[in-house]
This record gives sequence, structure tokens and C-alpha cells, in this order.
Amino acid sequence: DQQVKQNSPSLSVQEGRISILNCDYTNSMFDYFLWYKKYPAEGPTFLISISSIKDKNEDGRFTVFLNKSAKHLSLHIVPSQPGDSAVYFCAASLTGTASKLTFGTGTRLQVTL
Amino acid sequence: GAGVSQSPSNKVTEKGKDVELRCDPISGHTALYWYRQSLGQGLEFLIYFQGNSAPDKSGLPSDRFSAERTGGSVSTLTIQRTQQEDSAVYLCASSYRAGGENGYTFGSGTRLTVV
Repeated sequence: DQQVKQNSPSLSVQEGRISILNCDYTNSMFDYFLWYKKYPAEGPTFLISISSIKDKNEDGRFTVFLNKSAKHLSLHIVPSQPGDSAVYFCAASLTGTASKLTFGTGTRLQVTL
Repeated sequence: GAGVSQSPSNKVTEKGKDVELRCDPISGHTALYWYRQSLGQGLEFLIYFQGNSAPDKSGLPSDRFSAERTGGSVSTLTIQRTQQEDSAVYLCASSYRAGGENGYTFGSGTRLTVV
């Protein structure tokens, strides 16, 4: 049972344009959401997070939007840069579970010149 | 060290053999996690250690899997009688404390191949 889903396995975007990565979840009890970025042969690195009490969190070029009613979150990268090419994982957690994270399957972003 | 260190980076083993995977967390981090990523799958939680508390083993897929954390620092994940479905990248992560807004820091992983 995949509680966190990333339905697009890959995405290609031109440099300078906006990248939008999507994530859906089924467990309405999740109350904290994170995005990780992963380069080949490296571990995932934390990118940005959002609590369920918010609907938007911004950090530089990265913005995460949360729509609780739709159980949907998205990561926007503006403007996209070639160094953003990586696999992006969405993750969710429940309060009181010591940050035990449930991950999606990832979306591979390719930013082209 | 500066980051989470895992060894070996790659391991090929024959079906039925036991393997040990090592994780050296960031100094001072009290929480340590093991995850694995099978081909085409997301990261799957395996086990969590926090200080001297009993570990949360709820993600271990079978009793062939076990893990220890000695002295609150280095952790070893042991897989006995390996099976082909155990082939995956095993990732260790640590954090200063459980919870928090910044997730945790992952190592580069051990790629395990069972042949």
C-alpha cells in the first residue's frame, strides 16, 4: 500500500523555466511533509519541508505548496538550473513517530540547456 | 566525521550468506535510522534508534534482519541467509534529535546485490 505517491517518474524542463513536481498521499493523519533531492551514488539530501498547519513554504528558488483537502503537495523550482537535475523524493510523517518517514518513489528531473 | 559514513559502498554476496552493513553517524547525533531502496521503489523504513531507548524495529521485513547500535554511535545492520529480494541500496541516516523540521542526514548507502 503506497501511502505516498509520485505518479510522474520523470520530468524534463528547460533551464530558466519552472519545474513542478507533484506528490499525493492517502493517509490524512500525515502532518509533516518533506522533499529530498538525490544525486547518483549519493544519499538523499533534505531540501524543504512544510507543516500541515501551513499551505506554503518558500526557500529561495524552492517553494512547497500543500493542499490538505486534496492530499496533494507540490514542489516548485523557479528558475530551474542544470544543477537541479536529480531525483526528487517526497516524504511524509506523523507527529509522535519520531520522524519515521514514508517516501514516494521519486521523480527524476532533467533540466536541459 | 563531517557526514554519515557507510561501509562497504558495494557488496555482492551469494544467496544464503550473511552480510553486515556498517553506519557511522554524525558525531553527536542521537537518532539513527536505516532505510532501504529497492529498484523502482521509494525509501522503506527499517529501524530507528534514539539514544538509549529500545529501537523501533517495526520496519524490519523479516527475522533475518537485525541491527545494533553500540555505544550510541556506530550501527550495524545484519542480514542473515540473504535472499535475492534483499538486493537494494541500504541507507543510514542520523539526526541531532528525533523530529525537527530539517529531516535528517543520509549516508551514501550500501548497494547490496545478492546473486
